[in-house]
Amino acid sequence: GDSVTQMEGPVTLSEEACLTINCTYTATGYPSLFWYVQYPGEGLQLLLKATKADDKGSNKGFEATYRKETTSFHLEKGSVQVSDSAVYFCALRRTGNQFYFGTGTSLTVIP
Amino acid sequence: DAGVIQSPRHEVTEMGQEVTLRCKPISGHDYLFWYRQTMMRGLELLIYFNNNVPIDDSGMPEDRFSAKMPNASFSTLKIQPSEPRDSAVYFCASSLSGAILNEQFFGPGTRLTVL
Repeated sequence: GDSVTQMEGPVTLSEEACLTINCTYTATGYPSLFWYVQYPGEGLQLLLKATKADDKGSNKGFEATYRKETTSFHLEKGSVQVSDSAVYFCALRRTGNQFYFGTGTSLTVIP
Repeated sequence: DAGVIQSPRHEVTEMGQEVTLRCKPISGHDYLFWYRQTMMRGLELLIYFNNNVPIDDSGMPEDRFSAKMPNASFSTLKIQPSEPRDSAVYFCASSLSGAILNEQFFGPGTRLTVL
């Protein structure tokens, strides 16, 4: 069945460091891919998305490229800030409205 | 729009008591999802509705859990009787079919503690 695997955390980085959170997926066909972010005490919010191979989603300095050949959708940011501390979820949607979420990766950015 | 509204935000109850969590989806959305989040199991889909009809409840952990959606603007998740292992954050989300990418919008969650 459809599934998403993302790197386990927690991840701790210093401010201005580079971030990569790995995400790979298993699905038939061509799913849409998403990154959601959950700030402390809040619900999940959509961070970025991509609908087809080679699409690049971007938002708030974060980027992720839909790689069909490696079935991956890694999240990257060149310079993280303290305010980026949150839990990040990779997700896919193949058909219908049901999403499949990864287990989440906790990021802490220290000054 | 106010977004997805959940109540209560926090609930503390004793083992054996009945717990009812409430959700108001975004107006016009025709899909509603209930998730449970724990440290051990991450984010789990419990059940989802389309046009107020339950479509897939395979994620509901056991018969103690039940969910209803009597109309398009209200849903409940009930646990009876509650147990300490039910302690978690419960999220409600809604989406609109036909919209580009069918993004799910999440509520702030209900943090349930069962003593």
